[in-house]
Amino acid sequence: QSALTQPASVSGSPGQSVTISCTGTSSDVGSYNLVSWYQHHPGKAPKLMIYEVSKRPSGVSNRFSGSKSGNTASLTISGLQAEDEADFYCFSYAGSSIWVFGGGTKLTVL
Amino acid sequence: EVQLVESGGGLVQPGGSLRLSCAASGFTFSTYDMHWVRQVTGKGLEWVSGIDSAGESYYPGSVKGRFTISRENAKNTLYLQMNSLRAGDTAVYYCARETDGGSFDPWGQGTLVTVSS
Repeated sequence: QSALTQPASVSGSPGQSVTISCTGTSSDVGSYNLVSWYQHHPGKAPKLMIYEVSKRPSGVSNRFSGSKSGNTASLTISGLQAEDEADFYCFSYAGSSIWVFGGGTKLTVL
Repeated sequence: EVQLVESGGGLVQPGGSLRLSCAASGFTFSTYDMHWVRQVTGKGLEWVSGIDSAGESYYPGSVKGRFTISRENAKNTLYLQMNSLRAGDTAVYYCARETDGGSFDPWGQGTLVTVSS
């Protein structure tokens, strides 16, 4: 099972919006609405930001939103803030009790 | 408060073994599927293993046959037995609880495993 494909890096200025894509296949992202997104600050525990493609856990800012089209899922962060700077990972169920992460995207707030 | 605390990491020689533990608190551990995820320094997250509430376990090809996940519900503890360790297994290992829609929440702080001679 190959890792999902994410851009290595994205950037934006405070207040702007950025979108991080996550491309899989018809065997994982395309087949299941079990895509989640995680924010990871180095040295800390990863934090769940989006689950089931577009649902936000309690306590996560509504500036974070998720969507999916075909084999590609996306995470959009609006109203960028300095504290959003982190690594972001998508994650999907791939069938047969196998799970797969994306390669990760480094978000830089300029 | 829901909490996961990993332990057991350290330095081990290539070919050696190590057992990681993850102590859970603040929730009914026995009813949740649990997982291990690792991050090699400078690389991304990699799903390493999962175990459901019935004790059925699952692995990706990269560790299948070398790693064994298990749980002891009476002690609210998750384990990862790692054998035939290689330099490429050097990573921070996290445990995580599976929740809504197959998402992982929360995660522990991680424990560092270094495989080196």
